[in-house]
Amino acid sequence: AQSVTQLDSHVSVSEGTPVLLRCNYSSSYSPSLFWYVQHPNKGLQLLLKYTSAATLVKGINGFEAEFKKSETSFHLTKPSAHMSDAAEYFCVVIDSSYKLIFGSGTRLLVRP
Amino acid sequence: EAQVTQNPRYLITVTGKKLTVTCSQNMNHEYMSWYRQDPGLGLRQIYYSMNVEVTDKGDVPEGYKVSRKEKRNFPLILESPSPNQTSLYFCASSLSSGHMGYTFGSGTRLTVV
Repeated sequence: AQSVTQLDSHVSVSEGTPVLLRCNYSSSYSPSLFWYVQHPNKGLQLLLKYTSAATLVKGINGFEAEFKKSETSFHLTKPSAHMSDAAEYFCVVIDSSYKLIFGSGTRLLVRP
Repeated sequence: EAQVTQNPRYLITVTGKKLTVTCSQNMNHEYMSWYRQDPGLGLRQIYYSMNVEVTDKGDVPEGYKVSRKEKRNFPLILESPSPNQTSLYFCASSLSSGHMGYTFGSGTRLTVV
């Protein structure tokens, strides 16, 4: 069965410093993986997706993620955090019945 | 603008009073689904639909009904709401298998007293 594990429930960074949100996945086949962001009182917005093309995936707002099969990881990064990046981030995998399997979420705090 | 529209955004109701949360998408997506989000439990799938007249249970279907009479609409029906259905609900849609990503609605915050 497919699953994702987000390794940090909270991450705190200073504005202008790099962001790293960690995600490991478990899948019996080549997975489709996503990162979604949820701002307070808002819906879920797709940041980026990996669907077995390039292993380095670029998304919106300067985010990117690298698919590493040997490490079963799909970590989300951004070179320089902005105050508007403060939100909850979800790593997601699709299972064989096309259901989204969500990680438990990582809350990103950006300090001024 | 391509979007998934849910209504209402907020709803407070009493136990046992039937309600419907509407969901509509304008992207001609085949696949639609409902999720609920609860603190400590994350997002869990309630029901999904692979196309018109095709629906199936997700992980937490008890107490909910859905229908898919038209491709664009996928309403969530609570026949007799109970306080344990107090939650944040999201509708989502995607092309075919969903591997290109889902589009989510803005959410419906439901409180059952």
